[in-house]
Amino acid sequence: AQSVTQLGSHVSVSEGALVLLRCNYSSSVPPYLFWYVQYPNQGLQLLLKYTSAATLVKGINGFEAEFKKSETSFHLTKPSAHMSDAAEYFCAVSDRGSSNTGKLIFGQGTTLQVKP
Amino acid sequence: EPEVTQTPSHQVTQMGQEVILRCVPISNHLYFYWYRQILGQKVEFLVSFYNNEISEKSEIFDDQFSVERPDGSNFTLKIRSTKLEDSAMYFCASSLGQPNTEAFFGQGTRLTVV
Repeated sequence: AQSVTQLGSHVSVSEGALVLLRCNYSSSVPPYLFWYVQYPNQGLQLLLKYTSAATLVKGINGFEAEFKKSETSFHLTKPSAHMSDAAEYFCAVSDRGSSNTGKLIFGQGTTLQVKP
Repeated sequence: EPEVTQTPSHQVTQMGQEVILRCVPISNHLYFYWYRQILGQKVEFLVSFYNNEISEKSEIFDDQFSVERPDGSNFTLKIRSTKLEDSAMYFCASSLGQPNTEAFFGQGTRLTVV
């Protein structure tokens, strides 16, 4: 079964520092890949998605992610962290194929803390 | 901007009681979902719904759970006889349809079973 692994349940960076949140998927066929962000007491908001176009995907709020098939990875980065980036980040996948219902499989989530 | 709305935001219920969680998906969306997140755990898929029927469900979605789209706008999740372990945040989501399109999530309903 498809699975998603996010390395590091908590990541702490200083304001202005690079943000790197890791995500690896398990399937041999590259799925659709997503990053969602959850701010306190809010729902999940899409940051970016990879479907099958460019392997470097740019999203909202200055985030981007690179799909690397050889590493089965889809790590999320931001060059310079801002205090407002503090939130929970979820990597998710959706299988390709005609029978796919759009179900998302989520990773465990990574809490990003940004220190002043 | 269109959004998915969920009511109530918090629900406290006694074990064994029935609860109905309500969602209003985005109006032109065709696929509807329920997910749950137990405190401290990952977001888990429960069920997907398309063309007025369940298209996929997880092993969590047993006979105690049911979904309905009674009037073309609301999408509900019913838990017939709640258990303590049903306590979680429940998220509704909807999408236009293709698997690679964005799923829009509601803000969630926090269900506490006591």
